Amino acid sequence: GEDVEQSLFLSVREGDSSVINCTYTDSSSTYLYWYKQEPGAGLQLLTYIFSNMDMKQDQRLTVLLNKKDKHLSLRIADTQTGDSAIYFCAETGYSTLTFGKGTMLLVSP
Amino acid sequence: DTAVSQTPKYLVTQMGNDKSIKCEQNLGHDTMYWYKQDSKKFLKIMFSYNNKELIINETVPNRFSPKSPDKAHLNLHINSLELGDSAVYFCASSQESVQADTQYFGPGTRLTVL
Repeated sequence: GEDVEQSLFLSVREGDSSVINCTYTDSSSTYLYWYKQEPGAGLQLLTYIFSNMDMKQDQRLTVLLNKKDKHLSLRIADTQTGDSAIYFCAETGYSTLTFGKGTMLLVSP
Repeated sequence: DTAVSQTPKYLVTQMGNDKSIKCEQNLGHDTMYWYKQDSKKFLKIMFSYNNKELIINETVPNRFSPKSPDKAHLNLHINSLELGDSAVYFCASSQESVQADTQYFGPGTRLTVL
């Protein structure tokens, strides 16, 4: 079955870059997503990447995909305290999303 | 305007009760989903409906019954609530039920069973 793994916790200082990593097992994944969940809130789609791309940049966010190693990363440049949240990696399997367990990002001033 | 909305936001109830959570989307999407997020923040799909028809039904106790009166609504009814049902339930929608389609999530309903 599909499996998506993420590290559980990351702590950075404001202004630093954050890199959140994810590995997945389903080689048929076509799209991979990053969602953000702020405390007490729903899931917000941050960005996604198609599996034939290596990189996608969107303002402060950079997504890198290594399809051979089934490794996905999200880099947040100039991390702000407002970026503190849980970040979920997800991949598509047929018509569903399989989520990782989330990485809690804590940004300290 | 809220794209995917859920009510109630919080639900506290006793074991054995029956409760419903409502979901509505105003995006004109054809597919709607229910996810359960447990206390460890792990998200797992429960159901998927496309144009009011069930297309995915993961291993979920049959105490959980989704109902889709129209394609803009997907309600979740839970019978005989148990302590282990305590979680946050997220509704989501997408244009189609295909792999490439992005899902948009509601704000979640936190269910606490006492």
